[in-house]
Amino acid sequence: DVKVTQSSRYLVKRTGEKVFLECVQDMDHENMFWYRQDPGLGLRLIYFSYDVKMKEKGDIPEGYSVSREKKERFSLILESASTNQTSMYLCASSLGGGPSNQPQHFGDGTRLSIL
Amino acid sequence: RKEVEQDPGPFNVPEGATVAFNCTYSNSASQSFFWYRQDCRKEPKLLMSVYSSGNEDGRFTAQLNRASQYISLLIRDSKLSDSATYLCVASRAAGNKLTFGGGTRVLVKP
Repeated sequence: DVKVTQSSRYLVKRTGEKVFLECVQDMDHENMFWYRQDPGLGLRLIYFSYDVKMKEKGDIPEGYSVSREKKERFSLILESASTNQTSMYLCASSLGGGPSNQPQHFGDGTRLSIL
Repeated sequence: RKEVEQDPGPFNVPEGATVAFNCTYSNSASQSFFWYRQDCRKEPKLLMSVYSSGNEDGRFTAQLNRASQYISLLIRDSKLSDSATYLCVASRAAGNKLTFGGGTRVLVKP
């Protein structure tokens, strides 16, 4: 079974802090993704990565950055946390390559509250 | 218009009954489709992939209609444990990215 592990289930931070959310997958997947999920807005893609040291912006990258130094690890960084970044953050991974998109496998999620 | 649209529900279903619901997608270039299940305050979990010819997995049947650009999910003999939000997912035109619908909430009651 695919295992995607997010470093924290719940996190409380203050406005202006730099926040790091960590995600590790154990299936040697090429692709990794960060989403946020908010009521009424569904899952929205923040950033994704197809390979080590590679990153691409998703639909809502503003206020975020990412780092992928190792294949198994994908970090999401909130440069200066703001209250509108309070959300559920979900990391996912999938196999790369091939003509068809592979399903994504999610971590447990991190509920982040910015005070 | 959202790329993937779903009726948010809730669909209230008597235990043992059959329930079916659709989702529509706007990107005609989408190649891959999935149904995910998400329980309250949990992560989405892959329920099944959706193939062009339609496919079945136990009590769950998924259908794809490319001409009308919709996907359906049918649940037979509903169990209380089927209560969840079901997310419809379509691939995007480029890259291994997916677009998630807002979800359809299903409540199975005794």
